[in-house]
Amino acid sequence: GAGVSQSPSNKVTEKGKDVELRCDPISGHTALYWYRQSLGQGLEFLIYFQGNSAPDKSGLPSDRFSAERTGGSVSTLTIQRTQQEDSAVYLCASSLTFGLFQETQYFGPGTRLLVL
Amino acid sequence: QKEVEQDPGPLSVPEGAIVSLNCTYSNSAFQYFMWYRQYSRKGPELLMYTYSSGNKEDGRFTAQVDKSSKYISLFIRDSQPSDSATYLCAMSAIQGAQKLVFGQGTRLTINP
Repeated sequence: GAGVSQSPSNKVTEKGKDVELRCDPISGHTALYWYRQSLGQGLEFLIYFQGNSAPDKSGLPSDRFSAERTGGSVSTLTIQRTQQEDSAVYLCASSLTFGLFQETQYFGPGTRLLVL
Repeated sequence: QKEVEQDPGPLSVPEGAIVSLNCTYSNSAFQYFMWYRQYSRKGPELLMYTYSSGNKEDGRFTAQVDKSSKYISLFIRDSQPSDSATYLCAMSAIQGAQKLVFGQGTRLTINP
């Protein structure tokens, strides 16, 4: 079956503009995660969803970042008033479910965001 | 200090060599340990997954976890040029959010 897909693949924007990044998880996966991968920083957790709710938003760097998930499927990560330090690869992952044990997270190819 | 430390390399070895990749961590709550492989401009893919301490072998790959030392390793035997990628260690605690905490990643090149 299809894996996790993300769009757009690449996004170039001007400082101060808003951007929306989209993630389509693997069909049937109830858990969805957003990470950010910056040069020299590795992957940083941003937020995760179980169904449509986000129990853990602790990784969002500022209130300019928000995310939502509708219908237990597609998720959108929105960055308002983008700054140059927001330039990074934004990765989405999904897993079958959420529970006491670690479920395998499957990653999408990422959206490369460049803020000029 | 980061929760997970990983030497970013780069690491370059000849084909056929044994490769050793390592991570150290500070959070004793971590119980699940993973190695992801990431090819250029692709998302990470799970390579090895270990729960608690011990060894796990899968083909040419062996993962080791030493919780007493807070140290994990990935060994690649008979390395191939196709193994050239960035290798990321990742960890999570047994309960709570299922977020993964990643190391910085080690960029590995296997030279033919």
